[in-house]
Amino acid sequence: AQKITQTQPGMFVQEKEAVTLDCTYDTSDQSYGLFWYKQPSSGEMIFLIYQGSYDEQNATEGRYSLNFQKARKSANLVISASQLGDSAMYFCAMRGDDKIIFGKGTRLHILP
Amino acid sequence: GAVVSQHPSRVICKSGTSVKIECRSLDFQATTMFWYRQFPKKSLMLMATSNEGSKATYEQGVEKDKFLINHASLTLSTLTVTSAHPEDSSFYICSARMRDGKNEQFFGPGTRLTVL
Repeated sequence: AQKITQTQPGMFVQEKEAVTLDCTYDTSDQSYGLFWYKQPSSGEMIFLIYQGSYDEQNATEGRYSLNFQKARKSANLVISASQLGDSAMYFCAMRGDDKIIFGKGTRLHILP
Repeated sequence: GAVVSQHPSRVICKSGTSVKIECRSLDFQATTMFWYRQFPKKSLMLMATSNEGSKATYEQGVEKDKFLINHASLTLSTLTVTSAHPEDSSFYICSARMRDGKNEQFFGPGTRLTVL
């Protein structure tokens, strides 16, 4: 069965430090996509980064990078040089054959 | 754990017809449900927020008359795409927030709508 696990319900990080948000997944699909979304208190979901299962290189988007380790089935999000505006809920998601699964999320608090 | 289901998982319809998508929280009461649309470029757009027993709050740019949302009970919200057109083809995802105030959000598996 498909599953996404985010083991960190909450994290506190000092501003300007790098942050790693954990995400592991389980799937029997050969082709799948992994996403990270940021959710502020408003409820909107802000797309951050995408990694295809066949992509050989780790995805990067500005301060965001995805540490994709296929053999370990992990897709950790790394935020470099954290900012106060990064405080939010972060969801890891996996999309397979017409089905998308979200993790429970990690609430990130950036401390000044 | 909390489970949110969506029905149908996939629907194909002709242009001009209406399609109803159900979102159910199976083992908890959800005071708030969210409807999202996932676009091909991976972005997930919040369409509306619905609270049980009250009218949905639509995001800017979302047509209220086209995307009808009804949150009839604490476990069911429906999204009806009226007079569907090919540009409405997308992946629609709902999520539900528990009544217990923890602000945890649980997502459904999504519904793929294809309008011919």
